Amino acid sequence: SQQGEEDPQALSIQEGENATMNCSYKTSINNLQWYRQNSGRGLVHLILIRSNEREKHSGRLRVTLDTSKKSSSLLITASRAADTASYFCATVTGGGNKLTFGTGTQLKVEL
Amino acid sequence: SQTIHQWPATLVQPVGSPLSLECTVEGTSNPNLYWYRQAAGRGLQLLFYSVGIGQISSEVPQNLSASRPQDRQFILSSKKLLLSDSGFYLCAWSVGGQGGNIQYFGAGTRLSVL
Repeated sequence: SQQGEEDPQALSIQEGENATMNCSYKTSINNLQWYRQNSGRGLVHLILIRSNEREKHSGRLRVTLDTSKKSSSLLITASRAADTASYFCATVTGGGNKLTFGTGTQLKVEL
Repeated sequence: SQTIHQWPATLVQPVGSPLSLECTVEGTSNPNLYWYRQAAGRGLQLLFYSVGIGQISSEVPQNLSASRPQDRQFILSSKKLLLSDSGFYLCAWSVGGQGGNIQYFGAGTRLSVL
């Protein structure tokens, strides 16, 4: 079953704009991760935030985590056409051997 | 460096035929291994995972099985494919413990059952 629900399901923006994607989950987590998937390809890990962290940065990516609301957001600043992809959140719970993925946000960045 | 190989990239099979998808990892020992299925426009559904040779956990009862005959080899099989087995299959590996279970994915196999 899906642990996370992502919002919006699809997002279309212009190059240079910021893109924000949200993820909500249902149970307590050890960490939350964001992955990117180009069409027809495997997923690539972007960033991990632990349950005791509130914010994390990596290049143009900024992730926040609110464990009280069981939600996370991914912000991509100054988007580029090459950022066009699907973005998934995934949570690690309990013993930590499994990821449970959200439903994903399809991001399209137009020139 | 670690690499993951998954093949074939595309597969078209008739209903009732057998299936064997193979995944191998290089450059690491005793990885956790995973098989996922992704329906079009959807998230990933975990099918099987393995923490060691011969140790397979099944997440969803279905027409598929998995085996891990060697430390870095993970095989997804079916004796008789169903139409509903069509989808995009992804293999992944991770190192547990302090690594936080970051997973590294293969390129995927697009399976069409006709």
